[in-house]
Amino acid sequence: DVKVTQSSRYLVKRTGEKVFLECVQDMDHENMFWYRQDPGLGLRLIYFSYDVKMKEKGDIPEGYSVSREKKERFSLILESASTNQTSMYLCASSLKRNQETQYFGPGTRLLVL
Amino acid sequence: AQSVTQLGSHVSVSEGALVLLRCNYSSSVPPYLFWYVQYPNQGLQLLLKYTSAATLVKGINGFEAEFKKSETSFHLTKPSAHMSDAAEYFCAVKRGNNFNKFYFGSGTKLNVKP
Repeated sequence: DVKVTQSSRYLVKRTGEKVFLECVQDMDHENMFWYRQDPGLGLRLIYFSYDVKMKEKGDIPEGYSVSREKKERFSLILESASTNQTSMYLCASSLKRNQETQYFGPGTRLLVL
Repeated sequence: AQSVTQLGSHVSVSEGALVLLRCNYSSSVPPYLFWYVQYPNQGLQLLLKYTSAATLVKGINGFEAEFKKSETSFHLTKPSAHMSDAAEYFCAVKRGNNFNKFYFGSGTKLNVKP
């Protein structure tokens, strides 16, 4: 069965802190994605990765970076958290390039004070 | 540029009534279209997808959607709502041919009244 896990369901951080959000998939998927979800805006793509050590910017990469050292793990990094990064963060993966179905993790709700 | 528009951020129906969630897309090429559902405190789950085969697509939990090119629509329907259908629904369109980047709509929250 397909499984995408995220390290935390809820996270509270202070402005200026460095924040790590971890995502792990156990399906040997090539592609992994980070989205943020905000009310009324749907999901917006932050970064994605199509292979180990490969990454591409999405639509809203500012203030974020990512790391993919192993195929199963994709980390989202907030270098210096700000209040406008308070959001729900969703990780997803898909098997191969141009394989449409994405599998989502449960999300991490981040509050930056 | 491709995008999707979901009409109605909140839809409320009675249990047993028809569910209709609207999605319109803008695309200069035949699109790949998707509906995802998000139950409370969970990630998104694929309901169904259109990939240029049959225009009427059946998904899980009794949902279906019809691709209408002339109307640039891909509305989601279910003949009879169940309490367990209460969730947020997202329409998405695949953009371009590389990888599988999507544009997601803003979402529609479905409330089912007893």
